[in-house]
Amino acid sequence: DQQVKQNSPSLSVQEGRISILNCDYTNSMFDYFLWYKKYPAEGPTFLISISSIKDKNEDGRFTVFLNKSAKHLSLHIVPSQPGDSAVYFCAASVIQGAQKLVFGQGTRLTINP
Amino acid sequence: GAGVSQSPSNKVTEKGKDVELRCDPISGHTALYWYRQSLGQGLEFLIYFQGNSAPDKSGLPSDRFSAERTGGSVSTLTIQRTQQEDSAVYLCASSLASSGQGFYEQYFGPGTRLTVT
Repeated sequence: DQQVKQNSPSLSVQEGRISILNCDYTNSMFDYFLWYKKYPAEGPTFLISISSIKDKNEDGRFTVFLNKSAKHLSLHIVPSQPGDSAVYFCAASVIQGAQKLVFGQGTRLTINP
Repeated sequence: GAGVSQSPSNKVTEKGKDVELRCDPISGHTALYWYRQSLGQGLEFLIYFQGNSAPDKSGLPSDRFSAERTGGSVSTLTIQRTQQEDSAVYLCASSLASSGQGFYEQYFGPGTRLTVT
């Protein structure tokens, strides 16, 4: 039972354009959502997060949108840069308790010059 | 400062052998997590330690898997009688806490790639 899903295994975007990565979840108990970025042979690094009490959080070129009624979140990167090429994981958690992360399968983003 | 470190970075073992994977969390981090990433899959939670509390073992896939955390710092994940389906990247993460007073960022190590032949 996949509680967090990233339906696009890969995405290719031209440098300077907007990258949009999508994520869906099924468990309504999740109240905190995160995006991680992962380069080969490295662990995931935290990128941006959003609490369920918000619908948008922005940090520089990165913006995360949360649609609770649709159980959907998205990550927007604008403008996209070659260094953004990596695998992006969406994760969900519950603030109370262990704060275990439930991850999606990841989306490989490639930024083309 | 030093991040989360894991050793070995790569481990190849024969089916049926036992393996130990080590994690050194960030100093001062009381919460420690183990996750694994199988080929083409997202990371899945295995086990969680918080201070001196009993660990949350709810993600361990079988009783061949166990973990301990000595002195509230270093953790070892042990897989007994390894099987081919155990092949994966095993990732350790640590955070300052998980007290429910806000969300604490988890910092990940580089992982141990385990291959069972």
